[in-house]
Amino acid sequence: NAGVTQTPKFQVLKTGQSMTLQCAQDMNHEYMSWYRQDPGMGLRLIHYSVGAGITDQGEVPNGYNVSRSTTEDFPLRLLSAAPSQTSVYFCASSYSPAAYNEQFFGPGTRLTVL
Amino acid sequence: AQKVTQAQTEISVVEKEDVTLDCVYETRDTTYYLFWYKQPPSGELVFLIRRNSFDEQNEISGRYSWNFQKSTSSFNFTITASQVVDSAVYFCALSEAVFNGPTGKLIFGQGTTLQVKP
Repeated sequence: NAGVTQTPKFQVLKTGQSMTLQCAQDMNHEYMSWYRQDPGMGLRLIHYSVGAGITDQGEVPNGYNVSRSTTEDFPLRLLSAAPSQTSVYFCASSYSPAAYNEQFFGPGTRLTVL
Repeated sequence: AQKVTQAQTEISVVEKEDVTLDCVYETRDTTYYLFWYKQPPSGELVFLIRRNSFDEQNEISGRYSWNFQKSTSSFNFTITASQVVDSAVYFCALSEAVFNGPTGKLIFGQGTTLQVKP
């Protein structure tokens, strides 16, 4: 089991560029989500998915798109990168969206937007 | 509004000292779950413990212990005889069963950076 994998580990973008952060899990988890981590602010939920074909917005969705065409993959797209999107991005998954489930986190992607 | 507050931004202790990390939460829900995660310098998030709102028993796991008090909306984490390997950022998080429905949404505190010096 690889768990939750994220690529790339590091990325530098220029303002206005677009890119996709990849997230995959091999645990057959129903629930997947994206968080961003900024200094002094903990982790904040960007988007989440309770199953293939179903996605919804979290706390800070602006500037990001997601889709969930398979159970395994949950890519995060930055449409037009802005310096405010400089952050560390974590993908997480859990067996189901029930509140009691432990979430497994990927290793993170450190993104810098110049 | 749901909120998790970790008022201690940074704590520095000397090895073998005991240290308590505070976590205070706000929720409208009667059924909820509290979590602690550890983020070592390598950056990944590691699950430490889950506690549901109906279980106020303290929990001990080796040098780690957790004190959950609904009366003060707190879920504090104590490391006994700290070690250098305990140096990390620790996050407290809240998940609600009813008001947020089956969204799996975790509300994180700001995190406490613990530095254990040799």
